[in-house]
Amino acid sequence: TAGITQAPTSQILAAGRSMTLRCTQDMRHNAMYWYRQDLGLGLRLIHYSNTAGTTGKGEVPDGYSVSRANTDDFPLTLASAVPSQTSVYFCASSVEAGGPNEQFFGPGTRLTVL
Amino acid sequence: GQNIDQPTEMTATEGAIVQINCTYQTSGFNGLFWYQQHAGEAPTFLSYNVLDGLEEKGRFSSFLSRSKGYSYLLLKELQMKDSASYLCAVRDGDYKLSFGAGTTVTVRA
Repeated sequence: TAGITQAPTSQILAAGRSMTLRCTQDMRHNAMYWYRQDLGLGLRLIHYSNTAGTTGKGEVPDGYSVSRANTDDFPLTLASAVPSQTSVYFCASSVEAGGPNEQFFGPGTRLTVL
Repeated sequence: GQNIDQPTEMTATEGAIVQINCTYQTSGFNGLFWYQQHAGEAPTFLSYNVLDGLEEKGRFSSFLSRSKGYSYLLLKELQMKDSASYLCAVRDGDYKLSFGAGTTVTVRA
């Protein structure tokens, strides 16, 4: 079982360009999440989806958009990248949003915006 | 929102015990998680507390006091492979998870 995968592994992007970070899980989890991790700040929630067809804003949603057309996929789009979006991005999923259900994390995408 | 505080760094000797404290302030509490993250890797789940008390899982234990907004992760019989960052995370009433900045534990021989 692959679990949760992310692509690309790393990317260098010119400021002003758009990019979509891909996330796919094969565990049939209902809830999915996108985080960014920056040194000294820890993981911060960007957007989340408690079930297919619904999305919500997290702590730092500006400059990012998501969609959840089906259970397995949860892409994150940067419409016009800025250098402050340089970070490591983690996608995660859980069986349900509540209860004792831990989040499983993908391997991450390291994004550099120049 | 959440305010989650944990120490930045801790150092301990192989075979020893280390306790990582986490304090939090939240507008709604729906569980506390501890994750382990090795450098360059993804976080992995360690423990979950929603009721007051101690949860034990092998060498790792986690404690919660909801009235004090306090938790700790206890690592016993430390091994070199336990050198990692340990993340405290609190889930609010809307099921969103907020993470502390993490505590880097270095285990010395």
